[in-house]
Amino acid sequence: DVKVTQSSRYLVKRTGEKVFLECVQDMDHENMFWYRQDPGLGLRLIYFSYDVKMKEKGDIPEGYSVSREKKERFSLILESASTNQTSMYLCATTARLGYGYTFGSGTRLTVV
Amino acid sequence: KQEVTQIPAALSVPEGENLVLNCSFTDSAIYNLQWFRQDPGKGLTSLLLIQSSQREQTSGRLNASLDKSSGRSTLYIAASQPGDSATYLCAVPTSGTYKYIFGTGTRLKVLA
Repeated sequence: DVKVTQSSRYLVKRTGEKVFLECVQDMDHENMFWYRQDPGLGLRLIYFSYDVKMKEKGDIPEGYSVSREKKERFSLILESASTNQTSMYLCATTARLGYGYTFGSGTRLTVV
Repeated sequence: KQEVTQIPAALSVPEGENLVLNCSFTDSAIYNLQWFRQDPGKGLTSLLLIQSSQREQTSGRLNASLDKSSGRSTLYIAASQPGDSATYLCAVPTSGTYKYIFGTGTRLKVLA
């Protein structure tokens, strides 16, 4: 089975800090995604990557950037954390079109 | 634009009941639909992936059906148990892309 690992389960950061969320997958999946999940709003796509160094904006990219230097690792960067970025962040991967998603266990980020 | 709706938003049933969760989508040009389970504070676990050529998919006590023409999928849970208590989400890909659109979920509570 594909394993998707998010490095932190819980994070508390201060407003204005630069925050890095890491996601690593152990299969050769080309496509990786970052979502945030908020009560009443569901899952919303922030960014996705379909190959190394390739990325596309999702529905809510403002305030975020991403990095994919190696195929197995996809990082989400909060350039200057704000309280409205307090959320559950979920990483997902898929091999290709027609295949389903595999998710990591999530990172609960609180910005104070 | 694809929209995904799940009704009911919450459901509470006694142990042992058979139950049906519903998922509706507006754009029938999908190539698959995926059902997930999410426990509180955790990531999403894939339950079933139904390809557009299939009408049903089964795993243990779970059975998912897909009717593309009517824009509906149902998740049937047989002989429900307290351990089935979780939020269940369905997701469909937007046409021709890797991006999934998620419903807001049905929060299920099975009472012992």
